[in-house]
Amino acid sequence: DTAVSQTPKYLVTQMGNDKSIKCEQNLGHDTMYWYKQDSKKFLKIMFSYNNKELIINETVPNRFSPKSPDKAHLNLHINSLELGDSAVYFCASSHGPSGEQYFGPGTRLTVT
Amino acid sequence: KNEVEQSPQNLTAQEGEFITINCSYSVGISALHWLQQHPGGGIVSLFMLSSGKKKHGRLIATINIQEKHSSLHITASHPRDSAVYICAVRSNGNKLVFGAGTILRVKS
Repeated sequence: DTAVSQTPKYLVTQMGNDKSIKCEQNLGHDTMYWYKQDSKKFLKIMFSYNNKELIINETVPNRFSPKSPDKAHLNLHINSLELGDSAVYFCASSHGPSGEQYFGPGTRLTVT
Repeated sequence: KNEVEQSPQNLTAQEGEFITINCSYSVGISALHWLQQHPGGGIVSLFMLSSGKKKHGRLIATINIQEKHSSLHITASHPRDSAVYICAVRSNGNKLVFGAGTILRVKS
């Protein structure tokens, strides 16, 4: 009965590789988000989708591309991974862009 | 200077103590969130408020829009309350801007 799930939970990869993180929510929400939490535990918004439309796109390198195949899924694809991409990535969802947000368990990405 | 400032950064309390964590912000907001991140890493939304006060169990959140300030109170603190507490404000474009978090440790 997981509300917001992410896969994988841990991801270790080498510089230059391309990887994807998947997020799914079963709450019936129409808005989903990707956040990055750096080594200092600081959270920052990356992207937000509402009804599969991109509504927030922060200053994120073009190597990061979100994809929302339907309202329940928001995946994050990262090309040409760099050391600085190492972080914990959280997915979240809400009912509407101003609703209370429910977070996934996070994906710890380590780039070596 | 970050748009959202939390204090204190670190807080150690004895079990049973009353705890207050403060959040000040410098931008116009439509709502303020308090989040809890446990040592295991998961993030849970505790409160979303735009005025006044909300209470859930031993947790109380208040906000003063004029002073751009919010407080999170924990009554009768317990070791299981040990976590990072994060304040976030919803500003223009429904974007959440986060504070740096307050690391709380409650000793038994």
